[in-house]
Amino acid sequence: QSVLTQPPSVSGAPRQRVTISCSGSRSNVGDNFVNWYQQFPGKAPKLVVFYNDQVASGVSDRFSGSKSGTSASLAIRGLQSDDEAEYYCAVWDDSLDGLVFGGGTKLTVL
Amino acid sequence: QVQLVQSGAEVKKPGSSVKVSCKASGGTFGSSGVTWVRQAPGQGLEWLGGIVPLFGTTDSAQKFQGRVTVTADESTTTAYMELSGLRSADTAVYYCATTPDCINGVCRTAYFDNWGQGTLVTVST
Repeated sequence: QSVLTQPPSVSGAPRQRVTISCSGSRSNVGDNFVNWYQQFPGKAPKLVVFYNDQVASGVSDRFSGSKSGTSASLAIRGLQSDDEAEYYCAVWDDSLDGLVFGGGTKLTVL
Repeated sequence: QVQLVQSGAEVKKPGSSVKVSCKASGGTFGSSGVTWVRQAPGQGLEWLGGIVPLFGTTDSAQKFQGRVTVTADESTTTAYMELSGLRSADTAVYYCATTPDCINGVCRTAYFDNWGQGTLVTVST
């Protein structure tokens, strides 16, 4: 059971917009920066969004992040087939005094 | 950007230890922190611990305290993660990653912008 809750899966058609949520608590999402990673099968994770809403270097501006209270979201607009991957949110947890990840969300492009 | 190159796959017996290396190829760690994350087959990501090589400061997840040791050798620009008391549940791909988001040797962050390729550790009789 992850400290951060993500939907197991989301899907969308090409060119549509999807959002992936990450729900936590005050000690993690509420008081610290949320970061998002994209992972393809058999590959290392890749940073896509850091500090809640900053798009990482080299990442398409179709990706965006936001945070409100104890929840955060990753949005992908103009879906493309190569966006199909697993997405993880990650944040420092002050109560656990450690780094925590969401359980991951598999994005399927229909 | 510095490339992180990890050591090769390992097969270990239950109860033994494994030491995985992560070399900063083409540069140094500078003041960055190095963290270790693992992923069991078909599972999500799990944090083990980290180090800031320049300061020698370390931290680790409560779950792994007493079993994980993170070290670094600045002369060879290599970080290491050693996990002891191996059991089958430790079978996973182990990743190193770096972060610039550290202050005075403390990295209370989940922001990692550079990752190694991963090292598969298999624990089996």
